[in-house]
Amino acid sequence: AQSVTQPDIHITVSEGASLELRCNYSYGATPYLFWYVQSPGQGLQLLLKYFSGDTLVQGIKGFEAEFKRSQSSFNLRKPSVHWSDAAEYFCAVSNAGNNRKLIWGLGTSLAVNP
Amino acid sequence: DAGVIQSPRHEVTEMGQEVTLRCKPISGHNSLFWYRQTMMRGLELLIYFNNNVPIDDSGMPEDRFSAKMPNASFSTLKIQPSEPRDSAVYFCASRGLGGLTDTQYFGPGTRLTVL
Repeated sequence: AQSVTQPDIHITVSEGASLELRCNYSYGATPYLFWYVQSPGQGLQLLLKYFSGDTLVQGIKGFEAEFKRSQSSFNLRKPSVHWSDAAEYFCAVSNAGNNRKLIWGLGTSLAVNP
Repeated sequence: DAGVIQSPRHEVTEMGQEVTLRCKPISGHNSLFWYRQTMMRGLELLIYFNNNVPIDDSGMPEDRFSAKMPNASFSTLKIQPSEPRDSAVYFCASRGLGGLTDTQYFGPGTRLTVL
């Protein structure tokens, strides 16, 4: 069965520091992978996605993620975190085909210290 | 584009009452998803529709929950009767056709409190 694991429930970083949020997935075929961000009281917004091709994917707000098939990982990175990046981050995997749905991780809560 | 529209944004009701949540997907999108988010269980998919037809309702908790999509621009999620454990944020999301438009776009959510 497909699954997504986000090992870190909560992470705190200082503003300006680099960030890496981990995501591991379990899926038999080539997955479609997504990172979403949820600011407090808001809906989820897509940061970036991987379907195929270049394994390093660029997203909005200066985020990037790298797909590593050998490690079944799709970690999210940002070189320098801003206070406005404090939010909940969700990794998700999708199957291929017509009836696609997302399987979600439980999320990682990011706090940013000034 | 107005994005996905949900109403109401907040709902407070008493146990046993009927609750109806509404969603207007992005125009032209052909898939619609209802999610529930709680601290304990995270983000759960309740049901999703393709072309107004329910495809997978395995996430619907029990018979008290029902969802309809009478046309491409409107969907409802109904809870009858409501219980305190139904308190959560309910999100609606829509998606266009596949390929580059595979992204799900989320509404702002409805925060439901059942007393």
